[in-house]
Amino acid sequence: DTAVSQTPKYLVTQMGNDKSIKCEQNLGHDTMYWYKQDSKKFLKIMFSYNNKELIINETVPNRFSPKSPDKAHLNLHINSLELGDSAVYFCASSQDRGTYTFGSGTRLTVV
Amino acid sequence: QQPVQSPQAVILREGEDAVINCSSSKALYSVHWYRQKHGEAPVFLMILLKGGEQKGHEKISASFNEKKQQSSLYLTASQLSYSGTYFCGTENQAGTALIFGKGTTLSVSS
Repeated sequence: DTAVSQTPKYLVTQMGNDKSIKCEQNLGHDTMYWYKQDSKKFLKIMFSYNNKELIINETVPNRFSPKSPDKAHLNLHINSLELGDSAVYFCASSQDRGTYTFGSGTRLTVV
Repeated sequence: QQPVQSPQAVILREGEDAVINCSSSKALYSVHWYRQKHGEAPVFLMILLKGGEQKGHEKISASFNEKKQQSSLYLTASQLSYSGTYFCGTENQAGTALIFGKGTTLSVSS
């Protein structure tokens, strides 16, 4: 079983569309995250959820909204996609300030 | 708040050694190290905790100088499989997420 799974792996969409990326972890971790990795490989924290509570929200446009139906899932919804949103999005999870386990990533391309 | 990594890139031949450095402007609770191969997710290598505890990879070692707010990753007798981008991560102000450095790209050739 994959510890942290993301879907879809690839997403190509037009500007202005709305899309969602799903993430599920089966590790029993209490915190989940979304990171954005741009073309320069910079890994930037976007959101984290701890026990269904949003605990950080960096300078991310409000077009991005995380949704966590339960402790094992953290989905990312993006409205009105822009060219600059093209990147690889990684979901991750951790427990008690310990190691992070990353999903395999979703490559989003906005055309 | 972002940790600073150096060097940006390293080119090695198999069997050579390398050191990657990570420094922070704030006091550190822990330092994490991850390796990312092209097209893949970052993978955990090592975590160093305040007080000296280390957990991680068998063939890769690291140091953590709490006073200097620095960590170094030591890659000895490098193998082709060591190639990738290495990231150090430190906790943000609230201790709720890792902030990663810009990465160090390591290329090992035969």
